[in-house]
Amino acid sequence: ETGVTQSPTHLIKTRGQQVTLRCSSQSGHNTVSWYQQALGQGPQFIFQYYREEENGRGNFPPRFSGLQFPNYSSELNVNALELDDSALYLCASSGSGETQYFGPGTRLLVL
Amino acid sequence: EDQVTQSPEALRLQEGESSSLNCSYTVSGLRGLFWYRQDPGKGPEFLFTLYSAGEEKEKERLKATLTKKESFLHITAPKPEDSATYLCAVQADNQGGKLIFGQGTELSVKP
Repeated sequence: ETGVTQSPTHLIKTRGQQVTLRCSSQSGHNTVSWYQQALGQGPQFIFQYYREEENGRGNFPPRFSGLQFPNYSSELNVNALELDDSALYLCASSGSGETQYFGPGTRLLVL
Repeated sequence: EDQVTQSPEALRLQEGESSSLNCSYTVSGLRGLFWYRQDPGKGPEFLFTLYSAGEEKEKERLKATLTKKESFLHITAPKPEDSATYLCAVQADNQGGKLIFGQGTELSVKP
């Protein structure tokens, strides 16, 4: 059974640019959630997708957007990057239960 | 407002010295409480899910317990490889799949 995978592992962007992060769900999971984790903090919920529809959103501006595809993989897009967007971005997948299983994360640095 | 607070922020133990980590929560209807372990620069690794007060779960040297206001993660005779940040998260009845995390407890076990 394949776990949650994310790409790329690391990314460096400059302020104002756009970025796309990718996530492949664990086999059999139809729900994907995205979180932002600043250094020394707990993860903060960005949004969740269930069967290609957004199923809840945290307190993040509209420049954070997402997609889920028919194979349940997902993308997180961030436009107009700001310095404060530098963080570890985590994807988690879940199936019929509530437990979310996390991927290794993408470390984004905005200069 | 739904909230999770973990204490202490950091804990240093000698190998074999048992202790407990605390997770206090305020939530309007608990759907589940989750414990994760996170190594530096990596994604959270799932440990336990607890659903109702009085529930307990064990895995190797770890035991998680739940009351109506808090959860404890008991570590018995820890080893250096137990060093990590331990995250607690709650899921509320009216918040879809959103996980609300505490800031974590950084555990260091010295040989």
